[in-house]
Amino acid sequence: DQQVKQNSPSLSVQEGRISILNCDYTNSMFDYFLWYKKYPAEGPTFLISISSIKDKNEDGRFTVFLNKSAKHLSLHIVPSQPGDSAVYFCAARVNNNDMRFGAGTRLTVKP
Amino acid sequence: DARVTQTPRHKVTEMGQEVTMRCQPILGHNTVFWYRQTMMQGLELLAYFRNRAPLDDSGMPKDRFSAEMPDATLATLKIQPSEPRDSAVYFCASGRTGGNSPLHFGNGTRLTVT
Repeated sequence: DQQVKQNSPSLSVQEGRISILNCDYTNSMFDYFLWYKKYPAEGPTFLISISSIKDKNEDGRFTVFLNKSAKHLSLHIVPSQPGDSAVYFCAARVNNNDMRFGAGTRLTVKP
Repeated sequence: DARVTQTPRHKVTEMGQEVTMRCQPILGHNTVFWYRQTMMQGLELLAYFRNRAPLDDSGMPKDRFSAEMPDATLATLKIQPSEPRDSAVYFCASGRTGGNSPLHFGNGTRLTVT
């Protein structure tokens, strides 16, 4: 049962433009959402998070938006840089319990 | 900079052999998670522990997989007997309960079963 879905396996953008990665979820009890970035041969690293009581959280070039009514969140990266090329995982958690991940989206930022 | 440590980084074994993967969580973290990365399902949750007690291992094939925490500094994931379909990268992650805090991942064990 895939409770967290990332329907785009890959995304390619030009350096300097905006990257938008999308994530949908099915469990309305999720109360904490996160984005992780993963480079080859490394473990995922935490990027940014948002609590379900908010609809936006910003950290430098990264902004996460949460639309609870649509059960949708997105990660915006602006401006995109070649070093942002990685696999991005969306994750969600209920009440400090287990954390569920999506299948990932491979972002390629072209110079 | 505290890290989750996983050993071995790579493991190649023959079908039917026992495989043990180890994880040292970050000191002070009280939750430990095991994930398996697959192409189709991304990061698939296998099991997780809180304060060394198993809370959920419903993601694991029970007949061949087992996860334990012998003490607060060691978590193990065993596969016996291993099968070719178990080939994947296995990640361990640790975190703290209380408040919103992210999980921290190790660099994984890449398992190949021939």
